[in-house]
Amino acid sequence: SSELTQDPAVSVALGQTVRIACQGDSLRRYYASWYQQKPGQAPVLVIYAKNNRPSGIPDRFSGSSFGDTASLTITGAQADDEADYYCNSRDSGGNQVNVIFGGGTKLTVL
Amino acid sequence: QVQLQQWGAGLLKPSETLSLTCEVYGGSFSGYYWSWIRQPPGKGLEWIGEINQSGSTNYNPSPLKSRVTISVDTSKNQFSLKLSSVTAADTAVYYCARSLGGSSIYFYYFYMDVWGKGTTVTVSS
Repeated sequence: SSELTQDPAVSVALGQTVRIACQGDSLRRYYASWYQQKPGQAPVLVIYAKNNRPSGIPDRFSGSSFGDTASLTITGAQADDEADYYCNSRDSGGNQVNVIFGGGTKLTVL
Repeated sequence: QVQLQQWGAGLLKPSETLSLTCEVYGGSFSGYYWSWIRQPPGKGLEWIGEINQSGSTNYNPSPLKSRVTISVDTSKNQFSLKLSSVTAADTAVYYCARSLGGSSIYFYYFYMDVWGKGTTVTVSS
């Protein structure tokens, strides 16, 4: 079955730009969605369908995709952005429908 | 605004059956898939499975699949998860979520836009 691979941890200086990557074969067919999760809270959707933001998500969050890699970019990171970030896609290869998550990236804002 | 409220037993003994229910408030039940996801302590998210209004299901094609049943009660706007023969490895926070997908010209898309608050389930003798 397909997997999504993320770097376990990334750090960024306050106000700088950070990119979080997600790699997997399913991303050649599906746009990744991205979720922010803070300790003790449910995940929150921040990017869907490549580069769409739900209502209420700041425009410093953006998404992109090329080949088998999707990226979440935070332009001008804020202290409030410190969280775990997960990528996600459906995978319908091999006559089985599956939904897969990356292992998560812990973002530290310095 | 759509909200998901979930509930169920939080403490189970090994071999018992986990049972959780999620109710949809403030929005349509049709046109979406409704998912269950879990997160063991200190670990990442794992999709368990999904169901739509007509009862069509998809399950994670892992060994978990043999123990999982997801059902729907459209009259109550509810969907439920049962996980049989639980062990300590099933200890996790369990979330319900609304999911939807589609396609553009070249790509498919899928995402979960509304989540429940989560239910902590502990399996211990």
